[in-house]
Order: sequence, then structure tokens, then C-alpha cells
Amino acid sequence: QQQVKQSPQSLIVQKGGIPIINCAYENTAFDYFPWYQQFPGKGPALLIAIRPDVSEKKEGRFTISFNKSAKQFSLHIMDSQPGDSATYFCAASRELPGGFKTIFGAGTRLFVKA
Amino acid sequence: NAGVTQTPKFQVLKTGQSMTLQCAQDMNHEYMSWYRQDPGMGLRLIHYSVGAGITDQGEVPNGYNVSRSTTEDFPLRLLSAAPSQTSVYFCASRRAGRRVYEQYFGPGTRLTVT
Repeated sequence: QQQVKQSPQSLIVQKGGIPIINCAYENTAFDYFPWYQQFPGKGPALLIAIRPDVSEKKEGRFTISFNKSAKQFSLHIMDSQPGDSATYFCAASRELPGGFKTIFGAGTRLFVKA
Repeated sequence: NAGVTQTPKFQVLKTGQSMTLQCAQDMNHEYMSWYRQDPGMGLRLIHYSVGAGITDQGEVPNGYNVSRSTTEDFPLRLLSAAPSQTSVYFCASRRAGRRVYEQYFGPGTRLTVT
């Protein structure tokens, strides 16, 4: 069973801190590595995604760092705010003929203290 | 646009009962999917559809049936509910030709099987 291992399970930071969430994958045949943000009672929403031929991608306060040789990628949230408190999922995705495959990590619950 | 809608929001079933979880989208998306979310396991793909009349199995299809008679609707049927199917169920949709990770998720249905 292909897996995406995500850590930590939970994370508490002070406002303005830089939480870092890490993911590791096993199979190299993925096309994209997205991150989703989920607030309580809501469905996940796409936050940011990266291709495996790119080492870093920034969108606003969110940055993905990607290490292809180590099969690892991470999400950094700069200047974190209480409104960033949510559960974050990493994933690995690929298109297939007539379909697709997406494997999700187990999620990290982030709490940003005011 | 309402986006992706799911009904009901909550449901309690007894073991052996059947029910249908409804999912609808008004974005004219070709691709639709059903996921289940369990604590510590992220989201797992149950079934997906790449268009009306076309469905395929995902990672955890056993115990679930789907059909896709229209572009808008993608119901998920539990034929004989089991306690192991207690979970939060998310429907998602995506436009064909968009990146595999550009999915829009519904708000979820929380199902408890006793």
C-alpha cells in the first residue's frame, strides 16, 4: 500500500511563529504534491501544490519545500495567525489513463495561539 | 454557484440498514469522487467518476456502490451498513483538464453506524 507519512500529528505555535509540517512519500511516480487546509465542519480546500521538478514554491505566507532525493516535502507557514488554526493534509497525486490516484497524509492539527 | 453540496449533514444508522448519501455540484465538472475521512488516516478514495455513466473503484470500495446518471449528481449507496463504515464522507468534483489536485470538496456527511 503506497503511503504518505505526515508529521507531527498536532502542533501548537505562538502567533507570528513558523509552523513546519513534514511529509514523506514512498513511490516516485507522482505528478503533484498538494497541501489542503480543513477547518472544523468543512471539507478540505486546496492551499498550494508543487511539482516534483521544483524545489520550492511560495504563495503568500505558505511555502512548500520539496526534496526529491529524500522523497520529502514540507509546508511552512510564515507569520502564522490564529486564523491559520486548522488541520493540514499533504497528498501525492498523479493522473492515470481514465482516472487518477491521490494518497493523503493523516493530517496535522495546527493551533496558533493569539 | 452553490459548489458541491452534500446531504444529509449527519446520519445515524443501525447495522444492516441501507442508505444513500447525496452529492451534487453545479459547476459542470466532469470528475466526481467520494472519500472517507477517519481519525489518523487522512482521506481515502472510495469511488470516482470521470463522466456520466462512467465509474471506477478507488482505494476502499467494498461495501459501497455508486452510479452517475447525470453530470451533476453522484450518490453513494451503502447497501448494508456496518460499524466499520462510521466515518465522515466527502464528495469532491473537478473539471476535466484541470490539475488532478484541483478538487472542490463538499462540507461532508458524518455517518454513525451502531
